[in-house]
Amino acid sequence: GENVEQHPSTLSVQEGDSAVIKCTYSDSASNYFPWYKQELGKRPQLIIDIRSNVGEKKDQRIAVTLNKTAKHFSLHITETQPEDSAVYFCAASKNNAGNMLTFGGGTRLMVKP
Amino acid sequence: DAGVIQSPRHEVTEMGQEVTLRCKLISGHNSLFWYRQTMMRGLELLIYFNNNVPIDDSGMPEDRFSAKMPNASFSTLKIQPSEPRDSAVYFCASRVGNQPQHFGDGTRLSIL
Repeated sequence: GENVEQHPSTLSVQEGDSAVIKCTYSDSASNYFPWYKQELGKRPQLIIDIRSNVGEKKDQRIAVTLNKTAKHFSLHITETQPEDSAVYFCAASKNNAGNMLTFGGGTRLMVKP
Repeated sequence: DAGVIQSPRHEVTEMGQEVTLRCKLISGHNSLFWYRQTMMRGLELLIYFNNNVPIDDSGMPEDRFSAKMPNASFSTLKIQPSEPRDSAVYFCASRVGNQPQHFGDGTRLSIL
């Protein structure tokens, strides 16, 4: 089955700096890659997703890049703010409809004011 | 617009007891997913339904776990008998068509 590895497991940045979280996946048939943000004690919430027909997607301070050949995708957060502090999960799925998500292990991002 | 609704939010019970977790899908959604989240294993998909039919239950840990969708908007996840290692946060999520999954607030389960 699919295996998703996520790095780093923890990331500490200064407010205003950029943060990058990387994921690799094993199944070349995967074609849908969402990112979820989970604040302490809360539900995972979708922040951005990308499908395999594009290499990059951006939404304000958040961007995701996908390299299908290397089977890795990354989340980029620019101008980080304290409220960006949370655990971020990447996931991969084999069909564009988003069923059967396999999640990475999560990255705890801490933004220091 | 109500999101995915889970109940109870917290459950504390003794091992050996039956536990039933409940989930109400977002109106109009037709796929339902049950996840378990622990520090050791992260977020794991247990089972998912499409149009009330179980499609993949390969993530269900063992026969003590069972899930049902008695109607298009409601699902239950049952653990009988419960064990301390079942302690976790259980999330359900729903979706429709090609849209992303939306998660409920989860049930924090503690088995003593």
